[in-house]
Amino acid sequence: QTVVTQEPSFSVSPGGTVTLTCGLSSGSVSSSHYPSWYQQTPGQPPRTLIYSTNTRSSGVPDRFSGSILGNKAALTITGAQADDESDYYCLMYMGNGISLFGGGTKLTAL
Amino acid sequence: EVQVLESGGGVIQPGGSLRLSCAVSGFTFSSYGMSWVRQAPGKGLEWVSSISVSGGGTYYADSVKGRFTISRDNSKNTVYLQMNSLRVEDTAVYYCAINKKGAAAPDSWGQGTLVTVSS
Repeated sequence: QTVVTQEPSFSVSPGGTVTLTCGLSSGSVSSSHYPSWYQQTPGQPPRTLIYSTNTRSSGVPDRFSGSILGNKAALTITGAQADDESDYYCLMYMGNGISLFGGGTKLTAL
Repeated sequence: EVQVLESGGGVIQPGGSLRLSCAVSGFTFSSYGMSWVRQAPGKGLEWVSSISVSGGGTYYADSVKGRFTISRDNSKNTVYLQMNSLRVEDTAVYYCAINKKGAAAPDSWGQGTLVTVSS
């Protein structure tokens, strides 16, 4: 059973850049996994940031970007702001209609 | 404006059944796949189920396969999640979402409905 892996926690200074990653317990992430990224603050539903590896959802500022780095999907936040402090989740399409979320990364603003 | 509104949550005993509904408006419902995602208290997101545009394709996480059934009524702009043989570990907020076309990704989300399975 494949597991989607994310860093449990990360911190970033306001104005700084942070890259969160999303991998697979077996194998490499590719565009065929259609990696997507979601931001969630406590008590709120998720907000879609990125889909299909690197396409920003409507209304998402361009300081959020997605990519494949090595064998993982990556979410980069450039010029981080205090209100970027959230939980971030990646979602991988595993084929045959099945998707898996990663365990999430708690991003803390320093 | 796209609106997604879940309903049907509540408290149910283990082994019981519940049907969640998700009513959507503001877009062409019959052109989009739909998904259910849940989040147990204090835990991360878990993809539960998705359904294709026509309803002919239905997909489930292993944790709910054989117990949950997703369906849709395109005439009512509504997607359903029938949950049977409920377990304590099914306790969660259940979110409904509109899938992005061709991207295997939930995009527009509802506020969620809480399901509590407890004796």
